[in-house]
Amino acid sequence: LAKTTQPISMDSYEGQEVNITCSHNNIATNDYITWYQQFPSQGPRFIIQGYKTKVTNEVASLFIPADRKSSTLSLPRVSLSDTAVYYCLAVTGANNLFFGTGTRLTVIP
Amino acid sequence: NAGVTQTPKFQVLKTGQSMTLQCAQDMNHNSMYWYRQDPGMGLRLIYYSASEGTTDKGEVPNGYNVSRLNKREFSLRLESAAPSQTSVYFCASRYGQDYGYTFGSGTRLTVV
Repeated sequence: LAKTTQPISMDSYEGQEVNITCSHNNIATNDYITWYQQFPSQGPRFIIQGYKTKVTNEVASLFIPADRKSSTLSLPRVSLSDTAVYYCLAVTGANNLFFGTGTRLTVIP
Repeated sequence: NAGVTQTPKFQVLKTGQSMTLQCAQDMNHNSMYWYRQDPGMGLRLIYYSASEGTTDKGEVPNGYNVSRLNKREFSLRLESAAPSQTSVYFCASRYGQDYGYTFGSGTRLTVV
């Protein structure tokens, strides 16, 4: 089960692009990378998922290099409402997701 | 479309009491999960049900039991609550292994 390593916290000003990097050195061939967002007193919410290269949706972009040992979640032009904890997971069909403690992003006005 | 619904939202128990946390999803998802979240610990898997009729232990199953009542419902039971079970409990579901998880809003349980 591939564990991931993320920064504990990050601060950013409103309107800036935020990049959160996740390390997953022992990722398995079948693992894909998934990011979740969690607000206080709420359950985690799925943001984006990818296997390699770049994936983009209406919320974020996910960059995964060819060696897949790391990935970067990119949030364009963050707002105060993006203040949350962000979790990076290496996921297979296995059912035991390892969430870790995530990255606490604080957006400053 | 309610997604994943958990009841109750808050509960206070005395040590030794029992209770059942309820979870229901209306998305026709096959797999359902129970997690607990403690400060500084992230989320830890208690039990899961990969499909209707099956249940398996996760990382921290001791002190808990589960029932997959049907495809929609997955309950978590504490037979004899202990203060160490004070936590926020999240239920989640997903359609299959290539899909993301949908979480409920949580049950905040305090055991005194």
